[in-house]
Amino acid sequence: QQPVQSPQAVILREGEDAVINCSSSKALYSVHWYRQKHGEAPVFLMILLKGGEQKGHEKISASFNEKKQQSSLYLTASQLSYSGTYFCGTWDNYGQNFVFGPGTRLSVLP
Amino acid sequence: KAGVTQTPRYLIKTRGQQVTLSCSPISGHRSVSWYQQTPGQGLQFLFEYFSETQRNKGNFPGRFSGRQFSNSRSEMNVSTLELGDSALYLCASSLGLAGVDETQYFGPGTRLLVL
Repeated sequence: QQPVQSPQAVILREGEDAVINCSSSKALYSVHWYRQKHGEAPVFLMILLKGGEQKGHEKISASFNEKKQQSSLYLTASQLSYSGTYFCGTWDNYGQNFVFGPGTRLSVLP
Repeated sequence: KAGVTQTPRYLIKTRGQQVTLSCSPISGHRSVSWYQQTPGQGLQFLFEYFSETQRNKGNFPGRFSGRQFSNSRSEMNVSTLELGDSALYLCASSLGLAGVDETQYFGPGTRLLVL
């Protein structure tokens, strides 16, 4: 089942902060975050693992709440380059199918 | 190190035809996964190949198939094309079997238009 992301879209000014949430109705063992700019391929940002381990981006932080089956991506002091669509993804069906959320469109304005 | 490459970048086909897309992973990566991206359905997992074997498969009909060669390069084939197959097809490579903690690196994609 596809993860749910919120908000669907957000508009910020440079320097402002944003939080993007990803939740699932099924148990999460890890959450992967990607950013895709228009016309480009998704780019890896971060993996959050059960137990708290994180792998990824220096300037972006995230949390993973196993009990709530939810992950949040924190973008602080946003820059113009942060604009794009953010996807969370997770393995479903016992690791047989990687499922992406619908995406959150982030626009950072000068 | 060169990134993931996909060929061709753009393709136009007609209904009923078949198409083969190619993906070359990052050097040293042994896993290749394929995804379909459309405005309506978003990013959907097709399948993953590791060491020339299909390891995982998403919910797509049998018209979608793939293979992987000994040098880890992968091809995806779609037979009897339908209008709904128009999409951006992305491949992603990872060092090991794509899993809970394995990072996937995406190629630029092949944009397929079915007329």
